[in-house]
Amino acid sequence: NAGVTQTPKFQVLKTGQSMTLQCAQDMNHNSMYWYRQDPGMGLRLIYYSASEGTTDKGEVPNGYNVSRLNKREFSLRLESAAPSQTSVYFCASSESAGGLSDEQFFGPGTRLTVL
Amino acid sequence: QKEVEQNSGPLSVPEGAIASLNCTYSDRGSQSFFWYRQYSGKSPELIMFIYSNGDKEDGRFTAQLNKASQYVSLLIRDSQPSDSATYLCAVPSRDSNYQLIWGAGTKLIIKP
Repeated sequence: NAGVTQTPKFQVLKTGQSMTLQCAQDMNHNSMYWYRQDPGMGLRLIYYSASEGTTDKGEVPNGYNVSRLNKREFSLRLESAAPSQTSVYFCASSESAGGLSDEQFFGPGTRLTVL
Repeated sequence: QKEVEQNSGPLSVPEGAIASLNCTYSDRGSQSFFWYRQYSGKSPELIMFIYSNGDKEDGRFTAQLNKASQYVSLLIRDSQPSDSATYLCAVPSRDSNYQLIWGAGTKLIIKP
């Protein structure tokens, strides 16, 4: 099992460009998440999908859109990239979101730089 | 006050000693607590979760929860250089169990 995979691993964009980050999991998990991680700030939730067919905003959704394509795949789109979106992006999945012991499994991350 | 607070460190501990990492949280209604480990340039991975007051042990790791004082600790016994990493504390949001509120992490360095 590959677990959670993300593409691309690295990306450099110019201000105003768009791109889509791809995420897939092969653990048959119901819930998927997109986070960003900035130095000294910990992980911040951008969007999540509690189950196939649903998506909800997290703490920092502005400037992003998501699509839960099917149970395996959850993509994050930046429509018009800004330098403030320079960050490391992690996708995660969990089996039964909301449980007391619901473990989130993380992908390897995408390091995005917006110039 | 941040919802989940951790000392950013770095915390330097000699090899073989006990490393003690602390996390405080603001929501008295929080029921479960997670400790994740993140190596430099890698993604977080779960070490332990705890939801009952007291201690929970797993190998060299012990999580301690004190709900009255609103803190959760992670002890690492017989620290090894491979334990050098950033340790993240996470607590479910009061608004949604789907959302974890993360501390900024404590960087731990184990010196040989």
